[in-house]
Amino acid sequence: NIVLTQSPATLSVTPGESVSLSCRASQSISTSIHWYQQKSNESPRLLIKYASQSISGIPSRFSGSGSGTDFTLSINRVESEDFSIYYCQQSYSSLYTFGAGTKLELK
Amino acid sequence: EVQLVESGGGLVQPGRSLKLSCAASGFTFSNYYMAWVRQAPKKGLEWVATISTSGSRTYYPDSVKGRFTISRDNAKSSLYLQMNSLKSEDTATYYCARHLYHYFDYWGQGVMVTVSS
Repeated sequence: NIVLTQSPATLSVTPGESVSLSCRASQSISTSIHWYQQKSNESPRLLIKYASQSISGIPSRFSGSGSGTDFTLSINRVESEDFSIYYCQQSYSSLYTFGAGTKLELK
Repeated sequence: EVQLVESGGGLVQPGRSLKLSCAASGFTFSNYYMAWVRQAPKKGLEWVATISTSGSRTYYPDSVKGRFTISRDNAKSSLYLQMNSLKSEDTATYYCARHLYHYFDYWGQGVMVTVSS
């Protein structure tokens, strides 16, 4: 199985800061990575598809980049509603896997 | 508005069976692959099963293959997950999700399954 390693596990920031969350794949997966946000006690929400493609209804401060094994989710000027857990998911293999998540918390 | 509403969760003993349901609305159900994704308490997400539009093709990870069966009824816009030989490690919130191409674009609110004696 393709293993996705997300870092850091926890990121403490203040509103207004810009942040980058990392997702590294155990093998090259082209751009077959997707990002989700999960707020406390809610179901996940799709943020970015295929590494960098935007999703309708998602604020423009969220963006994605990367290819191969290294991927980044960037949040430009974090807002209070962004404090959540973020997961990456790969679809290069039909045995879909998720990363363990990065928790974005208020400093 | 796309809505996915799961039901059928609860407490079940190890080795027993349980069937989850998901009622879909707000889109043409028969045109989409569908999936189940689970989340153990305080843990990350794990894909559990996917089914094709007609139901003729199903996909599972090794962790549930042979024990879980995904199915659908397009006439009722409903998705199901039959879970047999349940283990304590199957304890999780189970989400029904619309599986678009290679990602999950809509998720239900989830249903809790607890496997314990």
